[in-house]
Parts: sequence; structure tokens; C-alpha cells
Amino acid sequence: NAGVTQTPKFRVLKTGQSMTLLCAQDMNHEYMYWYRQDPGMGLRLIHYSVGEGTTAKGEVPDGYNVSRLKKQNFLLGLESAAPSQTSVYFCASKAHSYNSPLHFGNGTRLTVT
Amino acid sequence: GDSVTQMEGPVTLSEEAFLTINCTYTATGYPSLFWYVQYPGEGLQLLLKATKADDKGSNKGFEATYRKETTSFHLEKGSVQVSDSAVYFCALFMNRDDKIIFGKGTRLHILP
Repeated sequence: NAGVTQTPKFRVLKTGQSMTLLCAQDMNHEYMYWYRQDPGMGLRLIHYSVGEGTTAKGEVPDGYNVSRLKKQNFLLGLESAAPSQTSVYFCASKAHSYNSPLHFGNGTRLTVT
Repeated sequence: GDSVTQMEGPVTLSEEAFLTINCTYTATGYPSLFWYVQYPGEGLQLLLKATKADDKGSNKGFEATYRKETTSFHLEKGSVQVSDSAVYFCALFMNRDDKIIFGKGTRLHILP
């Protein structure tokens, strides 16, 4: 059971570089979410998607873009990385039902120097 | 906007002690409520949930009751173990906009 898979696991970027984080789920879930986790801040929602071809902004969307071209994949892009984007990024998915729980990936640790 | 407030940690207890981690929420409407647990180096995993007022979620000896009158969902366990050491997150889900909002997390240390 793969569940939610995030790639890469670790990455170091220089300021101004771009990159894409990939999230893939094999549970046929409708909803997918990207969060960042920072010390003392908990998890903050960046963007989310309620279905293929749809995306919406969360609490901290600035500096990030997302795409959901296929139901099983949710991509998070950083066009011009900044040190403030150093964080651990988690992807999660859930079924449509209101009481369905989130299933999380193991995270991507990103450092921007 | 919708929000979740948890007691700040870290919380340090001895093994077999009673645990309470407070969680209160602010929401327009009636959210579903969840507790998640995060072990070192891992993603979060569901611990328990409740979807309507007075529901009690339970799992692995942990319990939490959805209290609409106090907008709370406090996590309790009667006798903690060293293996319960982790970070615990309270979260809410609103049907209105499909967002899932988390509290800041509470780190729990259990001493043998």
C-alpha cells in the first residue's frame, strides 16, 4: 500500500531557483492538500484541490503555485525560492465524505539558502 | 475565519499519568473535528475523530468529546505510556469550503 508518496524527500535550493514538489496518491481520493510545517507554527494550508482541474488558495498561498492535471497527482511549485520558504512540506489526500480523515505523505524537507 | 487553538507545549508527564491536551475552535457552522498524531520523522496520522455535537471519538486509549456549547474537543488518556511521546494536532474540517485547519500542535514527552 503506497498511500501518499512525496518526492523528493530532501532538497536544497539557492535563492531565486525554482522547483516542483510532486505528490501522488493511489487511493482515488478527490481532495488533496499541501501544507507547510514550521516550528511553533503548526501546519499551515498552502493550496488545496477538491478535484481534477480545480485548485484553491489556503492560508499562506503567496510564492507558491499548484496544478492538479490528473486526479492522482498534485504538484506544488516554487517559481523563485526565498529563505522564508525553508520548511517541511506535507501533502495529504482525503475522500469526499465530510468525516473522512486525511492521509499524509512523509514530507519533503526543503532548505533555501 | 475558522481557527483552532491548542494548549502550548511541551507537556512532560511520567508514565501512567493522566493526560489532557486542550483544544478549542472557532468556526461558522458545525465542523468535523479530528486529532492527529505525528511521530518523529513521519507525516501525521489520524488518532480519532467526531463529526457532531456530543460525539466521542476514541482510539488506543485516547478519547475526545465534541462539545458544541464550549466549542472544545479536548484529548484525554487515563494512563500514558512512553510510546505516546509525539506531537498531537487538533484539526477541523468545514463542508462549506473544504478546508482543513490545524492547531499549532502540542509536543508530549512521557518519562519512564
